[in-house]
Amino acid sequence: DGGITQSPKYLFRKEGQNVTLSCEQNLNHDAMYWYRQDPGQGLRLIYYSQIVNDFQKGDIAEGYSVSREKKESFPLTVTSAQKNPTAFYLCASSPSGQETQYFGPGTRLLVL
Amino acid sequence: AQSVSQHNHHVILSEAASLELGCNYSYGGTVNLFWYVQYPGQHLQLLLKYFSGDPLVKGIKGFEAEFIKSKFSFNLRKPSVQWSDTAEYFCAVIPLSGGYNKLIFGAGTRLAVHP
Repeated sequence: DGGITQSPKYLFRKEGQNVTLSCEQNLNHDAMYWYRQDPGQGLRLIYYSQIVNDFQKGDIAEGYSVSREKKESFPLTVTSAQKNPTAFYLCASSPSGQETQYFGPGTRLLVL
Repeated sequence: AQSVSQHNHHVILSEAASLELGCNYSYGGTVNLFWYVQYPGQHLQLLLKYFSGDPLVKGIKGFEAEFIKSKFSFNLRKPSVQWSDTAEYFCAVIPLSGGYNKLIFGAGTRLAVHP
């Protein structure tokens, strides 16, 4: 059963804490992406990776970090430098940068 | 900067009414176009896409969209909506400019269909 999985579904962050969101895909896609969804703003690109061991900043990368050590995995860390982290985070993948992106179920991050 | 505009943020319809959601983009070159849908509690799903060929494309659940290049538009239509079409709809565009081609989303349109 192919697809994109994200965990956890809900995540709570305390002040000053770094948290990591997981994203795994078994679609054999080269490209992976992280988006942030806020009400009324659509999806904004945080980071993207076109191939393993390479990634680039998107439009709102400040306060976030990623790694791409394996083709299947693209974890996102929300650092303490991100002052407004409460949002819905979506991971996506695609065969290449021009093709259709497929999305995971998302992680909702809340700040305590 | 490249952008995607969705004209209506909220739309309320009765069942069996016709639907048209507007989408315009700002890029003069070749584009790939998408409509995604997010049903309550579910993840973002592809509704339909246009890469080339017939500018009238049909998607899942009776939706269709028409690409009008001269108007930079990709409007979504459905002749008769159902209560189950209640969802948020996102138009998205990939401007094909060489190198990395970013998927740019509109702000979304929330559709509520009343029985």
